[in-house]
Amino acid sequence: AQKVTQAQTEISVVEKEDVTLDCVYETRDTTYYLFWYKQPPSGELVFLIRRNSFDEQNEISGRYSWNFQKSTSSFNFTITASQVVDSAVYFCALCDNTDKLIFGTGTRLQVFP
Amino acid sequence: EPEVTQTPSHQVTQMGQEVILRCVPISNHLYFYWYRQILGQKVEFLVSFYNNEISEKSEIFDDQFSVERPDGSNFTLKIRSTKLEDSAMYFCASSLAGARETQYFGPGTRLLVL
Repeated sequence: AQKVTQAQTEISVVEKEDVTLDCVYETRDTTYYLFWYKQPPSGELVFLIRRNSFDEQNEISGRYSWNFQKSTSSFNFTITASQVVDSAVYFCALCDNTDKLIFGTGTRLQVFP
Repeated sequence: EPEVTQTPSHQVTQMGQEVILRCVPISNHLYFYWYRQILGQKVEFLVSFYNNEISEKSEIFDDQFSVERPDGSNFTLKIRSTKLEDSAMYFCASSLAGARETQYFGPGTRLLVL
């Protein structure tokens, strides 16, 4: 069965702190894709990253970085030097051999000035 | 850059009424999806649609729901007789045939059932 777990429901940090959002997934498939989406207060889903199961290289994009570890079935997301504009709900998602995206329950990040 | 659009952005309806949520997927995409997000909860898959038929649906997608591609551009979700618990944000998404995992989401329709 497919499952995505985001154990942190809410995280609060002060601006300029680094923060890591955890994501653990379950799937029986060997080919799958992992995603992170940002949902600001306006409600839309903003795509951040897609990784396939064969590419375990970590990725960095500006202040964002992702750590994919197949051995622990984790796909963690780190924001370096957080800013108030990073405040949002962040969702991790999995897509394997079905058509659908399976989302985690989300982590609400609040960045205080 | 092409994007998925949804109308209306907000809809308020009375319990028992029918609603139709509309989506215009990206023009060369062949797979279409609806997802639902109850306030404060996670995004949940409802249905996927390809070649004018449902390819997969979740247990949430019961007989109250239907989807249609009435013409070459629109993709609709109909809820026949709305219930209070249908209040949610509904997201449409579309993808290319060769990259179904990469789904492009619309901005959502916020439905409130009173």
